[in-house]
Amino acid sequence: QSVLTQPPSVSAAPGQKVTISCSGSSSNIGNNYVSWYQQLPRTAPKLLIYENNKRPSGIPDRFSGSTSGTSATLGITGLQTGDEADYYCETWDNSLSAGVFGGGTKLTVL
Amino acid sequence: QVQLQGSGPGLVKPSETLSLTCTVSGGSIISYYWSWIRQPPGKGLEWIGYISYSGSTSYNPSLKSRVTISVDTSKNQFSLKLSSVTAADTAVYYCARDRDGGNLFDPWGQGNLVTVSS
Repeated sequence: QSVLTQPPSVSAAPGQKVTISCSGSSSNIGNNYVSWYQQLPRTAPKLLIYENNKRPSGIPDRFSGSTSGTSATLGITGLQTGDEADYYCETWDNSLSAGVFGGGTKLTVL
Repeated sequence: QVQLQGSGPGLVKPSETLSLTCTVSGGSIISYYWSWIRQPPGKGLEWIGYISYSGSTSYNPSLKSRVTISVDTSKNQFSLKLSSVTAADTAVYYCARDRDGGNLFDPWGQGNLVTVSS
């Protein structure tokens, strides 16, 4: 059972928008930066969002991140079939003194 | 650009020690933190621990008693040792540059599947 809670799956049609939630607590999301990772099938995860809402070079602005209190949200607009992947949120947990990941969300582009 | 390449045995016997090394190329291991993360087949990601270039470490409490991460700056490498392994330790093990001490992993190595079996 993960410290950070994500929905197991989300789906939407090509061109549509989807959001993926990540729920935590004051010991993690409430007081630390959140990162998001995209894991395409059979590949290593890739950094998508860091420091809650910043995009690394090369990540299109279709991807966005936000936080509110003890929750974080990843948004993806203009969905493409190539966006089908598992998405993970991650942050530091002050109580555990450990990095913690969400359980992951599988995105299906119908 | 920085690239990470993990290496080590793909098969380890139960009760033995899993050992992996990550070689950093295209940049120096000096500065930043360096983490190990694992993913059991079909499951999610689990942070194992990090080491700084100066040798300070932090480990996941769930694995702390069995984990040792070390760094060799002369070889631009860092390593993972996990002792007393069981089938539950079967996973793909990733090494990653850790830009914030347990957060912000970028880039990642390709991953190494380690199977624990007799």
